[in-house]
Parts: sequence; structure tokens; C-alpha cells
Amino acid sequence: GAVVSQHPSRVICKSGTSVKIECRSLDFQATTMFWYRQFPKQSLMLMATSNEGSKATYEQGVEKDKFLINHASLTLSTLTVTSAHPEDSSFYICSAWGGAAAGYTFGSGTRLTVV
Amino acid sequence: KNQVEQSPQSLIILEGKNCTLQCNYTVSPFSNLRWYKQDTGRGPVSLTIMTFSENTKSNGRYTATLDADTKQSSLHITASQLSDSASYICVVSAVASGTYKYIFGTGTRLKVLA
Repeated sequence: GAVVSQHPSRVICKSGTSVKIECRSLDFQATTMFWYRQFPKQSLMLMATSNEGSKATYEQGVEKDKFLINHASLTLSTLTVTSAHPEDSSFYICSAWGGAAAGYTFGSGTRLTVV
Repeated sequence: KNQVEQSPQSLIILEGKNCTLQCNYTVSPFSNLRWYKQDTGRGPVSLTIMTFSENTKSNGRYTATLDADTKQSSLHITASQLSDSASYICVVSAVASGTYKYIFGTGTRLKVLA
């Protein structure tokens, strides 16, 4: 079945630094990937839609200069949190459409802690 | 406005008991409805997918139902196990002009106690 791999699973960084999160579709090509943010005990919130070979589409209220998305190939999308601050600490999850059978397949998530 | 509402928000049951989670939606044009299970600190995993013409679909101890007329779906868990403790998310997809849009419910947090 379709598998989406996300790395790292956990990262702790200092305030002011940047962190890159990778999302890979392992056995299928994904022209579109999605990035979500999830606060404790809350549902997923769509941040942006990542399109291979073109600019990402950001949801209202999401700063595109802070959350840089690059989708350079059909199997890889990256989310870079720039100049991270403690309020950016959250659980970030990516997903991709894995076909009719697998559907909307999610990565395992990245727990970001900014100290 | 496309919306997906889930109830209850949280639920605590004893191991071995059954439970039913509800999902009501106002999404158009409807394409399909999926139930996901999300363990704490993990990404969601698909349990079932229901299209417009399907009324019931099972995956082990999980049985999903769909009433497209009333725009309601339920997820029934039989003989609950401790490992069923998780958040269950209902996701409804709409498709227009070849573009899919996914609307997420807020989830139901289930806790199974020994």
C-alpha cells in the first residue's frame, strides 16, 4: 500500500533557528502533498498545499515566509520552519493522495519543540 | 459551507464494550467519507472509505455506516480493546472540476479502560 515517510519524528531546536521537515512518498508519485499542524487535543489544521514544480498554496493566516515549502520532485516535499519561536512548537503532519485504495495517506508526524 | 461535525468530543468506555461514534456533514458535492484512527503522536491511519452508494463497510472490529440522504456516518467499534484508545477522525471529500477538497472533523477522543 501507499506509504508516506516523514522525518524527523522529533526535533528540538533553539529559538531563532530554522528546522526542515521532509515528507516522502515511498512507493508512489505525489504531485500534491499537504502540510498540517496539530495542537494538543485538537484536530488537524491544513497549513498549505504543496504542488510539485510550482509554488505552494497557503491557507489563510499561514505565513508563507515563515513556513517555506519546497516540492522539487514527485516524491519529496519539505517544510522549513524559519526563525522558529516557542509558539511554533507543535505536531506537523504531511499527507499525499495515495490512490483510490489507500486514499489520503499521512506521514507519521514530526513533533517540533522550540526552546 | 462545507462542515464535518463529530460527536461525542470524547468518550471513555470499559474494555470489551462496544461504542459508536457519529459524523454529520454538510459537504457538497460529496465524493467519499473516510474514518481515520490517530494514535497519540502519530499520523492518522485510514480505517474505512465509504462512497455515495455504500451503506456499510467493515474492517475487523470497526464497522462504518453511511446514510447519504441524512448526511450521517457512524463508526461502530465492537469488543473494544485498550489499543483502540485513540482519536477517530471523519474526513469528507468533495470534488469539483477535478479538484478534491478534504474537510476534516474535529475528531472523537476515545479512551478504553481496563
